Amino acid sequence: DAKTTQPPSMDCAEGRAANLPCNHSTISGNEYVYWYRQIHSQGPQYIIHGLKNNETNEMASLIITEDRKSSTLILPHATLRDTAVYYCIVRVDNYGQNFVFGPGTRLSVLP
Amino acid sequence: DAGVTQSPTHLIKTRGQQVTLRCSPKSGHDTVSWYQQALGQGPQFIFQYYEEEERQRGNFPDRFSGHQYPNYSSELNVNALLLGDSALYLCASSSLEGLMNTEAFFGQGTRLTVV
Repeated sequence: DAKTTQPPSMDCAEGRAANLPCNHSTISGNEYVYWYRQIHSQGPQYIIHGLKNNETNEMASLIITEDRKSSTLILPHATLRDTAVYYCIVRVDNYGQNFVFGPGTRLSVLP
Repeated sequence: DAGVTQSPTHLIKTRGQQVTLRCSPKSGHDTVSWYQQALGQGPQFIFQYYEEEERQRGNFPDRFSGHQYPNYSSELNVNALLLGDSALYLCASSSLEGLMNTEAFFGQGTRLTVV
């Protein structure tokens, strides 16, 4: 079973920041938080991942709380092309570890 | 630099038949994982290959088997197809750098329909 909890759906206005929450209260000290998204009928796309510190790349920012029990993915200026299902996954980055996907959050960016 | 490529993109098979799906990993990646995604659900892990051996397996029957070649490409084979095997099959590649997994990159998938 997935070790994360996400809201099933969210809406965001185009041009505004999209903040997607994720709860992972049972996360272990060596588990990373990963975010992927899946646009309809395509393969999941890697967005960002982190362990403790906040991370930023060209796509998004990842904010992890100090106790690491929750995190937020931030898309700073959402566009219509950001409409997708967003998956938050925790995983140990060791040999042989796979990704356990939950149902994710369906983000709809509205014009 | 080509990403993860899968073939074919779509496939229709009859119950009881066998199917082979193919995956070429992203350049520089040596580990391939396969996932099954039923309609409306998240991907479910099938198995992972590294150094031409199955290293980890999810909760899938023996009808699902695989292979990895020396060039790191991989195949997923499904025997005795059932209607319930209809799904999007995803291949993900990653690299084991010092036995630490990097992030995985997914292909666009093969849509298998069993009739």
